Amino acid sequence: GAGVSQSPSNKVTEKGKDVELRCDPISGHTALYWYRQSLGQGLEFLIYFQGNSAPDKSGLPSDRFSAERTGGSVSTLTIQRTQQEDSAVYLCASSPRSGDNEQFFGPGTRLTVL
Amino acid sequence: GNSVTQMEGPVTLSEEAFLTINCTYTATGYPSLFWYVQYPGEGLQLLLKATKADDKGSNKGFEATYRKETTSFHLEKGSVQVSDSAVYFCALMGGGATNKLIFGTGTLLAVQP
Repeated sequence: GAGVSQSPSNKVTEKGKDVELRCDPISGHTALYWYRQSLGQGLEFLIYFQGNSAPDKSGLPSDRFSAERTGGSVSTLTIQRTQQEDSAVYLCASSPRSGDNEQFFGPGTRLTVL
Repeated sequence: GNSVTQMEGPVTLSEEAFLTINCTYTATGYPSLFWYVQYPGEGLQLLLKATKADDKGSNKGFEATYRKETTSFHLEKGSVQVSDSAVYFCALMGGGATNKLIFGTGTLLAVQP
């Protein structure tokens, strides 16, 4: 079956612009995660969604970052007023349910802020 | 807080050599432990996992044993192949409602023919 998909695969933007990154989880997966992979910080957790529960936003680095998940499926990560330090690969993962151990990762979106 | 420490890379080996990538962790409670692999140009994939002390995870010839007494989860393979060249990430899932993964910094493995 189809895996986790993300779009765009690459995004180049100018400092100060807003960007939106999209994640389509595996159908039927109720848990969705966003992570960031950067040279300086490695792989970091950003935000978690589970069903209709309030998301865990504890990993978001600043209030310029936000995410939503519509209809319990597709998720969008938005970064406002991008900064050069936001340059990274943004990874989305999903799992069948909270507590299930395996998370399935998408290919990522490489964001470059000039 | 919870954290994972893994050996710095890159690790360069000849084909058929023995591989060890060290991983230690700090965690409260009883985390689950994982090794993820990222092949060139591909996304992260789960390689193996162990959910409790003394469990051994294995897959594709790789093994790792959950050692609570040494808080370690070292990755081993007896005979590496060129196709094993990738970045390997050790990770823990610390429990709680979120089950977020906490990753080590990754170790680049390069296997030469």
